[in-house]
Amino acid sequence: DAMVIQNPRYQVTQFGKPVTLSCSQTLNHNVMYWYQQKSSQAPKLLFHYYDKDFNNEADTPDNFQSRRPNTSFCFLDIRSPGLGDAAMYLCATSRDRIGEYNIQYFGAGTRLSVL
Amino acid sequence: AQKITQTQPGMFVQEKEAVTLDCTYDTSDPSYGLFWYKQPSSGEMIFLIYQGSYDQQNATEGRYSLNFQKARKSANLVISASQLGDSAMYFCAMSSRNRGANSKLTFGKGITLSVRP
Repeated sequence: DAMVIQNPRYQVTQFGKPVTLSCSQTLNHNVMYWYQQKSSQAPKLLFHYYDKDFNNEADTPDNFQSRRPNTSFCFLDIRSPGLGDAAMYLCATSRDRIGEYNIQYFGAGTRLSVL
Repeated sequence: AQKITQTQPGMFVQEKEAVTLDCTYDTSDPSYGLFWYKQPSSGEMIFLIYQGSYDQQNATEGRYSLNFQKARKSANLVISASQLGDSAMYFCAMSSRNRGANSKLTFGKGITLSVRP
């Protein structure tokens, strides 16, 4: 089945130690998104790629970076994780980025703990 | 600006009964989409159902139906014949054709549903 796959499901890192989360998709969608979700809150969009075009949300901290080496893969890099970065990180894809009919499909998420 | 409001406290339903989860929205865009997602405790965000603002009929998908009342700006999710596996957080979300800018999902705060055996 076509899907969005996130690895790992759980990630533990140390305060200040860089960490990378990965996302892959077999849907061949043009757009890939990264969300941060803290406990009992709605997901918060960090950034997205439309093909190779990177779009950062205005309030996303500089500590968060992303790479998309090809259509299928997208990475979230946290350069110096702080305790406040402990959260669920969700990757999503959609066929296009414009339009009201754009369904986003999510992966299972990576739960990040910072010690 | 778009806004999604989900104000119900935690909801409880008896297994095999129907339940309605409320969602109201606000937007000035003439064309928009409304979505419901389910998030179990495992964390995955599962797409359930979609309704376009110009769709004449309410969307249905298996046991899920969306009660769309455009004049009231409401898009309630109805789950029929509840199952224990329906226990989860449910998010209502909206996207729109944002004047050529990127289409983003605006999420509500979510509603927790617990199904009792």
